[in-house]
Amino acid sequence: AQKVTQAQTEISVVEKEDVTLDCVYETRDTTYYLFWYKQPPSGELVFLIRRNSFDEQNEISGRYSWNFQKSTSSFNFTITASQVVDSAVYFCALSEARLGNDMRFGAGTRLTVKP
Amino acid sequence: KAGVTQTPRYLIKTRGQQVTLSCSPISGHRSVSWYQQTPGQGLQFLFEYFSETQRNKGNFPGRFSGRQFSNSRSEMNVSTLELGDSALYLCASSSIAGQSLHSPLHFGNGTRLTVT
Repeated sequence: AQKVTQAQTEISVVEKEDVTLDCVYETRDTTYYLFWYKQPPSGELVFLIRRNSFDEQNEISGRYSWNFQKSTSSFNFTITASQVVDSAVYFCALSEARLGNDMRFGAGTRLTVKP
Repeated sequence: KAGVTQTPRYLIKTRGQQVTLSCSPISGHRSVSWYQQTPGQGLQFLFEYFSETQRNKGNFPGRFSGRQFSNSRSEMNVSTLELGDSALYLCASSSIAGQSLHSPLHFGNGTRLTVT
């Protein structure tokens, strides 16, 4: 069975601090996909990144970076120099190749960045 | 390019009624998925449609159904509403052509359904 755990329910930081959101997943498949989505107060889930199980290369996009480690089944997300606009709920999600768009989402981490 | 559009944004219904939610995917996207989001259960997959066919279904009772039209627009129906059906219903589209591609999902703003 596939499962995603985001142990951090809420995180509060002050602007310009770095923050890491943790994501641990479980799957029996060898081919799977991992995603991060951001949900601002408006409700719309915004896609941030996708990784497939064969690509462990870390990625940096501006202030965002992702660390994928198959050995620990983790796909952590770091925001550098956080800004107030980063305040949102962040979801990690897992999709197994055989299940199409049946994505399993973590419970989400609510990030609050204070000025 | 217009995003995923869901209507209506808000709905209030009473127990026992039925409701239909609508979703217009991004132009060119042929896959439409539906998710339910509640504080207690989080985001849960309802079903996915591709080329007017239901390709995948989550673990929800038969009261939840959907369909997709030839223009890829999709509707979701919930019959005999229960209080526990109160949730944010999110529709997402993707350009996926086959299961192996797993293109990112593009979500709409959702329809917030309140059942009283």
